[in-house]
Amino acid sequence: GQQVMQIPQYQHVQEGEDFTTYCNSSTTLSNIQWYKQRPGGHPVFLIQLVKSGEVKKQKRLTFQFGEAKKNSSLHITATQTTDVGTYFCAGLNNAGNMLTFGGGTRLMVKP
Amino acid sequence: DAGITQSPRHKVTETGTPVTLRCHQTENHRYMYWYRQDPGHGLRLIHYSYGVKDTDKGEVSDGYSVSRSKTEDFLLTLESATSSQTSVYFCAISQLTGEGEQFFGPGTRLTVL
Repeated sequence: GQQVMQIPQYQHVQEGEDFTTYCNSSTTLSNIQWYKQRPGGHPVFLIQLVKSGEVKKQKRLTFQFGEAKKNSSLHITATQTTDVGTYFCAGLNNAGNMLTFGGGTRLMVKP
Repeated sequence: DAGITQSPRHKVTETGTPVTLRCHQTENHRYMYWYRQDPGHGLRLIHYSYGVKDTDKGEVSDGYSVSRSKTEDFLLTLESATSSQTSVYFCAISQLTGEGEQFFGPGTRLTVL
């Protein structure tokens, strides 16, 4: 079945440093979604990418979808303590009925 | 936050006992999902529903069953709980299958001793 791998599993950064998490799928995806989960909380939707090569920005967050629609990345510029949490990518299969989540990247920010 | 509640929020049970988790939504969304979250595995889909009485299996459905008799309620049942089913269970809803965001409930922490 479809597998979605995410690296790194953990990342410690100093406040103000940049952060990137990468997502790779074993199969071509219809779309990719990104979620954030704060410690003790539930996943919250951030964004969806659909087109090959698509780039979207939300303030300090930049999301990219690869040309082959098999990989994606999330880049945070100048991290803040409010960015702490686990970031998940989730790929939609070509049948359009199932999201497969990556294992997540836990971001810790030192003030 | 979307109107999704889960009950109970915490449960401790013993191996071999039946357990039912409830997800209730007030958004009238068509699609509902049950995920389990374990360290290092992200969220894994157990079952999902695309309408009243319409359900299908996800990637980790063994040992679980679901029912949806009303739009607003989606029940997850562990017929005979095992220690490997100790996990955090999240319910999610969406208006569209796959495309578009899923809204997650607060989660249920289940411990099977």
